[in-house]
Amino acid sequence: EPEVTQTPSHQVTQMGQEVILRCVPISNHLYFYWYRQILGQKVEFLVSFYNNEISEKSEIFDDQFSVERPDGSNFTLKIRSTKLEDSAMYFCASSGAGGRSDTQYFGPGTRLTVL
Amino acid sequence: GQNIDQPTEMTATEGAIVQINCTYQTSGFNGLFWYQQHAGEAPTFLSYNVLDGLEEKGRFSSFLSRSKGYSYLLLKELQMKDSASYLCAVRNQAGTALIFGKGTTLSVSS
Repeated sequence: EPEVTQTPSHQVTQMGQEVILRCVPISNHLYFYWYRQILGQKVEFLVSFYNNEISEKSEIFDDQFSVERPDGSNFTLKIRSTKLEDSAMYFCASSGAGGRSDTQYFGPGTRLTVL
Repeated sequence: GQNIDQPTEMTATEGAIVQINCTYQTSGFNGLFWYQQHAGEAPTFLSYNVLDGLEEKGRFSSFLSRSKGYSYLLLKELQMKDSASYLCAVRNQAGTALIFGKGTTLSVSS
């Protein structure tokens, strides 16, 4: 069964550094998403991406964040100048288009720890 | 505003039936999803409702009443492996973002 993959599984960085989290969505999916989950809290939407542009973003997704689809398979989240409060599990998700194929399937996540 | 409410914790025994409720108040509605999340893992899709009524899928069923802003997830014949968090999520009017509740942690004991 096709699945979303993410690398790395765990990223440790120093405050102020930039990190890039990588995702490979399910191959025939058209919509891509990033969510985050701070430890013990709810899953929060960051951004959705379709047709090489951002479809929707939340208040969390400010100028510190950016997304890119650098090639036909990868989808990345860049976090500039990381802060302690960016420590969280970051989930990538993907979905098809239309009807029940709109279900979002989540990757295993990248645990980001900012020291 | 956006508000999704679920009970924080529930307990049940193996073989029993449990119902997890979710109420929502969102600025738009374009479907309600239930996900299961084991500790430290990704949410995995369980069910989807966009029209009123019951959707059945094996041991799991989900119900939606849009007029009441209410859904429930029904788990039958509980097994120990069903111990997990169950997340209620509403897809917004724009049709992309999922707005999640805080989740209900279900503990199944023998």
